[in-house]
Amino acid sequence: DAKTTQPPSMDCAEGRAANLPCNHSTISGNEYVYWYRQIHSQGPQYIIHGLKNNETNEMASLIITEDRKSSTLILPHATLRDTAVYYCIVSVNAGNMLTFGGGTRLMVKP
Amino acid sequence: EPEVTQTPSHQVTQMGQEVILRCVPISNHLYFYWYRQILGQKVEFLVSFYNNEISEKSEIFDDQFSVERPDGSNFTLKIRSTKLEDSAMYFCASSPDRVNTEAFFGQGTRLTVV
Repeated sequence: DAKTTQPPSMDCAEGRAANLPCNHSTISGNEYVYWYRQIHSQGPQYIIHGLKNNETNEMASLIITEDRKSSTLILPHATLRDTAVYYCIVSVNAGNMLTFGGGTRLMVKP
Repeated sequence: EPEVTQTPSHQVTQMGQEVILRCVPISNHLYFYWYRQILGQKVEFLVSFYNNEISEKSEIFDDQFSVERPDGSNFTLKIRSTKLEDSAMYFCASSPDRVNTEAFFGQGTRLTVV
């Protein structure tokens, strides 16, 4: 699976949009971009995934650049409960051999 | 909402003892996985399981480890002779398909080897 690069930490004000970037310049054509998060030591929680097109669900939006070399996860109205480590993972597979890097530790502040 | 359940939430075992971690994946899912996370470190893939056999495993998943789906609902991870370095959170996950879908993770079992 392709490697990803994320900033180690970010802050966001409660109620504001949180924009989490991810670089995946070596992504191949059949690899999806997945975002998971981990709150404290709980199990990773799926957020969203996409291949080429931008995606939106009830939790977040995923913006993938046209060349697919980078993406941004957007939490439109961050709450304190969104404080977590966010992982950007590039993979062909849904759950098989996912490579969790260091992620971005998002701190949502009041 | 359907969820993956893991038991026990915390297990303490003596070094050298066998331990079995249990998971109940989501009922219509076909693919099952184990991951672990040593305290303060990254989440690491251990093994994937499909159609009653291992489909992929990492270097961590050596002969000390085995997985089984003993009945239609449970998915277990056995560590034959635990070592201190096996102390970690162990996460079970399942997915309905192999690609273009999400993996659902359980809340984990904290294994402490003393």
